[in-house]
Order: sequence, then C-alpha cells, then structure tokens
Amino acid sequence: DAMVIQNPRYQVTQFGKPVTLSCSQTLNHNVMYWYQQKSSQAPKLLFHYYDKDFNNEADTPDNFQSRRPNTSFCFLDIRSPGLGDAAMYLCATSNVRGVGRTDTQYFGPGTRLTVL
Amino acid sequence: AQSVTQLDSQVPVFEEAPVELRCNYSSSVSVYLFWYVQYPNQGLQLLLKYLSGSTLVESINGFEAEFNKSQTSFHLRKPSVHISDTAEYFCAVNTGRRALTFGSGTRLQVQP
Repeated sequence: DAMVIQNPRYQVTQFGKPVTLSCSQTLNHNVMYWYQQKSSQAPKLLFHYYDKDFNNEADTPDNFQSRRPNTSFCFLDIRSPGLGDAAMYLCATSNVRGVGRTDTQYFGPGTRLTVL
Repeated sequence: AQSVTQLDSQVPVFEEAPVELRCNYSSSVSVYLFWYVQYPNQGLQLLLKYLSGSTLVESINGFEAEFNKSQTSFHLRKPSVHISDTAEYFCAVNTGRRALTFGSGTRLQVQP
C-alpha cells in the first residue's frame, strides 16, 4: 500500500546532541511537510518542500533544518535539541499539481522525540 | 488569514449515544475542510474531507460532516458511537498549496 513512513517511531536523545528524523513516501507526492505536535496541542507546521523549493515558517527556530534529497525522502535535523523540543514530529505529503491533485495531506505515524 | 475554532476541548459521551463535534472556520477565500482523527501515540488519519460538490460528506466508519457556508461550520456527527471512537479529533482548513491550519482539537471520550 502507498503510504508515509517515519523512522524511528521513538527517538531518545540527550540535551544538545544532534538528531535526525526520517520520512519517506511511496505516494509520489510533490509536497512534503514537517509538523511539530506538543502534548495536548494541535500540530504546528515547521516547514514544507514544494518539489525542491524549501519553505520555512517564520517562527520556526534556526535549530530546525530539513533536507529533501529526492521526491521520496525528507529529513528533519535538530542541531541542538533542548528540553522544549520534546514532541511528536509528524511528516505529511500532498499532491497539489496537475493530474491526481488531491489537496489532501496524508500523515505518517509520527516520531516521538524525548530529550534527556 | 484563516483560522479554525473547535469550541469543545473534551466531549464525554456514553456508548451508542449520538455525538457532534463542532468546528467553525474563518477565511476570506474558498477553503477545503478536513477532519482528522488521532489515536494515542499515532499520527493523524484522515477521517473525511470536503473539497467541492455535495455539502454532506461521510466516512466509512459512520461519521459524517456537513459544510455550511453561511455559518462557516463543518461539524462532525455520528449517530451512535463506540468505545473504539475514543480519540482526539482535529478539524483543519486548507486554501490550496499552503499547509493545513488546525483547530485545537476535541477529545472524544466514549464511556461504557
């Protein structure tokens, strides 16, 4: 089945130790998103890639970076995690261009990040 | 700018009772509307969506929502809930290329 996959599902890191979260998709969608969701809150968009074009939200801290080496993969890098970065990180995809346009976002299962 | 308001943070209901989760939005342009469900420690699953056409949309597990343009609402309903429906429900709006704007979520708690 076509889907959005996130690895790992659970990640524990130490304060200040860089960490990378992974997202892959088999949907061949052209847009990929990263959201941060803290406990009992709504997901908050960090950034998204429209094809190869990176779009950062104005209030996303510089500590968060992203890479999209190809259509299928997108990575979230947290350069120096702080205690406040502990959250669920959600990857989503959508196809907003041409044939097959859905205007619908499909989410992966998320990665829960714990910072010690 | 667009925004979404979910007035109820928690909705307790007994099994087999009907339920309505309320969602109102504001936008100056046409919108697409979504309901997502989130079970503990999981990602968001699309429940149903309104893009165009019929204002009443249904999901495969008995939920339905009606787009009401005059009242800028997209309330979610189910005539008879099950224990397994216990989850967090998010209403969201999208105007196209940009990312979703979510409401703050409603926790549905189904009691036996």
